[in-house]
Parts: sequence; structure tokens; C-alpha cells
Amino acid sequence: GNSVTQMEGPVTLSEEAFLTINCTYTATGYPSLFWYVQYPGEGLQLLLKATKADDKGSNKGFEATYRKETTSFHLEKGSVQVSDSAVYFCALSGPNSGGYQKVTFGTGTKLQVIP
Amino acid sequence: DTAVSQTPKYLVTQMGNDKSIKCEQNLGHDTMYWYKQDSKKFLKIMFSYNNKELIINETVPNRFSPKSPDKAHLNLHINSLELGDSAVYFCASSGEGTKQETQYFGPGTRLLVL
Repeated sequence: GNSVTQMEGPVTLSEEAFLTINCTYTATGYPSLFWYVQYPGEGLQLLLKATKADDKGSNKGFEATYRKETTSFHLEKGSVQVSDSAVYFCALSGPNSGGYQKVTFGTGTKLQVIP
Repeated sequence: DTAVSQTPKYLVTQMGNDKSIKCEQNLGHDTMYWYKQDSKKFLKIMFSYNNKELIINETVPNRFSPKSPDKAHLNLHINSLELGDSAVYFCASSGEGTKQETQYFGPGTRLLVL
């Protein structure tokens, strides 16, 4: 079945530091890939997505590139802010046996940015 | 305007009780989901409905029973609550076709079983 592996946290960075959160996946076919963010006390919200190989998703200074050859979708940001402190989930979407899309989430990586 | 809403936000109850959580979406989506998030933030899908039809049913105790009266609502009833049911339960919805991939989450219901 499909699976997503992401680096364990927590990740603690100083403000303006460079961020990388690693994500690799296992899937049949050609899944779409996502990063979701969960701020404290809230539900998850889509941060960015990429639907095919070599696509780059970007939003709010975050970006990730769909790398089929390495089955990876690493999240990066050049300069983090305190407001980026949250839990980040890598995910993929692929069809289940009934033909419906099923999203598989990674275990989440907590990011803490200190001033 | 809240896109996906859940009630209640907090639920504290005793072991053995029966409780329900309600979810509504005003996005016009056809597909709705229930997820369980444990204390380590691990997110696991429980159920999914498409136009009131059950399409995903993961390995979940049969004490959990989802009900979808129409495509805008998906409720979750839990019988005989156990300590291990304590978690945050998220409702989500998604659109049709490729739009089915992006999920829109509610704010969560924090369930504590004592």
C-alpha cells in the first residue's frame, strides 16, 4: 500500500534560519503530493501541492519539488518566522480499490521557531 | 463563513457512555471524512462517504458508526466509550475528480474519556 515517511521532530530553529523537512513516499502509479500545516489548536490546512513529476509547489515562502526518481517531496523555506511554528504533514493522494482518492499522511513534524 | 464545522469542540465524558460528534460543510463537496489524531499527532483515516455512500472504512471498532443524512453532513456516533478513544477527531471534505485530492479540515473535536 501507499506510505509516507517524514523526518521526526521536533525541529527547533532560530528566526531567519533555513528550513528543510524531509519527506519520502512509496506509492503505485502517479500520486499527487501535498504538504499540510496544522497550527496549534486548529485543523490541518493545505500549504502546497504538486500533481506530477518535477512540479514545484509553493506558498507563503515554502516550496517543495516532486522528485519521482528519489520518491521525495522535501519542504523548504529560506527564512523561517516565529509564526511558522506548527506541525507539518507530508501526504500523498492515490486511488483506493474503489477508484476513489485516498490521502495517506505522514506522521507530522513539529517545527518550533524561536526569536 | 466556516467551510467545515464540527460540534462540539470539546467533549469530556465517562467510560461506557455513548456520544456523537457532528460535522457540516458548506463547500458543496461530495466527499467527507473522519480522521482520528492521537496525542503524538499521528493522523489516521477512519471513514469516508461520497454522496452519502460509505467508500472508505478502515479498521475501526464497530463501536464507531458514521452516518451521513445528506452530502453536507457526516456525523460520528461512538458507543461504549473507552479510555483509548481519547483523541482529536477531525472531519474533512473534498470535491470531485482531481479536486477530490485536496482536503478541507474542520477545527477538530477534542474528546477526553475519563
